[in-house]
Amino acid sequence: GQNIDQPTEMTATEGAIVQINCTYQTSGFNGLFWYQQHAGEAPTFLSYNVLDGLEEKGRFSSFLSRSKGYSYLLLKELQMKDSASYLCAVRDIGQAGTALIFGKGTTLSVSS
Amino acid sequence: NAGVMQNPRHLVRRRGQEARLRCSPMKGHSHVYWYRQLPEEGLKFMVYLQKENIIDESGMPKERFSAEFPKEGPSILRIQQVVRGDSAAYFCASSPSGQGLTEAFFGQGTRLTVV
Repeated sequence: GQNIDQPTEMTATEGAIVQINCTYQTSGFNGLFWYQQHAGEAPTFLSYNVLDGLEEKGRFSSFLSRSKGYSYLLLKELQMKDSASYLCAVRDIGQAGTALIFGKGTTLSVSS
Repeated sequence: NAGVMQNPRHLVRRRGQEARLRCSPMKGHSHVYWYRQLPEEGLKFMVYLQKENIIDESGMPKERFSAEFPKEGPSILRIQQVVRGDSAAYFCASSPSGQGLTEAFFGQGTRLTVV
């Protein structure tokens, strides 16, 4: 089966660091994505991992371990505008057309 | 350099009516994906289309739902005889290619409310 798990909610304060975990079980694997979605808006692409290791992009980093079926998104120097839902998605190689399988998202609330 | 355009942004339909959702992919993108997002739920894949072809419709309900992506014009997701359970946000994403793509770009979504 296909299953993607991530925490439902997280809270943090401005300037802090937060790590959002994602575990997945899919019949195949061809990449893991993180998207950010503000309420009522479109998901926007944050990061993509297909090989094990850490990908860094400014204040955002994403890590992947394929053997463990595990990824995390690391947000540094948190800002109020980072309050949003963070979506973990896996591209399952078994899916024709490489559509993405999404987790339910983690709602992050950043307070001052 | 417009992104993925969806319209309408909001759509209200009475039970039993038809809903038509439109998606114009980014320029140069020939692959379109439709997703549905229910409240408190993740994005669920519905259908993947290329120009004039349905590639994968495994996520789409067998009845009342259909999708097309004609040679000219936007992709259309059609829901016939809508029911309250169809109320959701419908997102379209596009990419330049299916295999080997690194990211898909999403539209702003159409929020369908069935009353």
